[in-house]
Amino acid sequence: EPEVTQTPSHQVTQMGQEVILRCVPISNHLYFYWYRQILGQKVEFLVSFYNNEISEKSEIFDDQFSVERPDGSNFTLKIRSTKLEDSAMYFCASSEVGTSRDTQYFGPGTRLTVL
Amino acid sequence: TQLLEQSPQFLSIQEGENLTVYCNSSSVFSSLQWYRQEPGEGPVLLVTVVTGGEVKKLKRLTFQFGDARKDSSLHITAAQPGDTGLYLCAGGNTGNQFYFGTGTSLTVIP
Repeated sequence: EPEVTQTPSHQVTQMGQEVILRCVPISNHLYFYWYRQILGQKVEFLVSFYNNEISEKSEIFDDQFSVERPDGSNFTLKIRSTKLEDSAMYFCASSEVGTSRDTQYFGPGTRLTVL
Repeated sequence: TQLLEQSPQFLSIQEGENLTVYCNSSSVFSSLQWYRQEPGEGPVLLVTVVTGGEVKKLKRLTFQFGDARKDSSLHITAAQPGDTGLYLCAGGNTGNQFYFGTGTSLTVIP
C-alpha cells in the first residue's frame, strides 16, 4: 500500500541553525501538507501546497518557514533559523484531491529537537 | 482559528466496557474526520463524515456528525485493549485546511 515517507525520523539541531525536513508524498497525490505537533499538544496545520505554490498557510507559518517541491517526488519544509519552540513532531501529509472531504495520508513524522 | 474541544482528555476503562468521546466546536465544518494516532506515528484516518446527522459505523466504532455540523461523537462498543490510543477529531473547512481537536487518550485495561 502506498505511503507517505519522511526523513529523517529524528533531527537534533542547535538554535539558530537551518533545518530541512523531507517528505515523499504518495506518487499520484497532488496536494501536500505540513503539520506540527508540539509534545503534549494538538496537531496544528502549517501549510498546504498545490501546483508548486502555497494554497493555504496558518499564522504559525511565518517567514522563517518555507516549502518547496524541488523535484517530482520530494516535498520539503525548511526552517531558516530554528528556535527552541520549534521543537516538535512535524508531519507531512498528502491527498489526491484538495477538498476537506478528501483523505489526507500522514507520514510517520520527523521529531525535531532544537537545543 | 476554529477550535475543536475533545472530551474527555483521558479515559481509562476495562475491556468490554462502552465509551463515547466527544468533539465540540462553536464553528461549522464542511467535514469532520476522526483519526487514531499511535505513539511516534502519524495520525491514521478512521472515518470522514460530511452530512449533518450522518452516522457511520466501522466494526465496533460508531461515528456521528451533529445536525448543525459543529460537533461529533465516537462511540466504541465492547472496548478491546487494541483500541488503546490517541483519538483525534479534525474539522475541515471549504478549503483544505484541517483543524485538529485536543485529542482523547484512551487506555483499555485487559
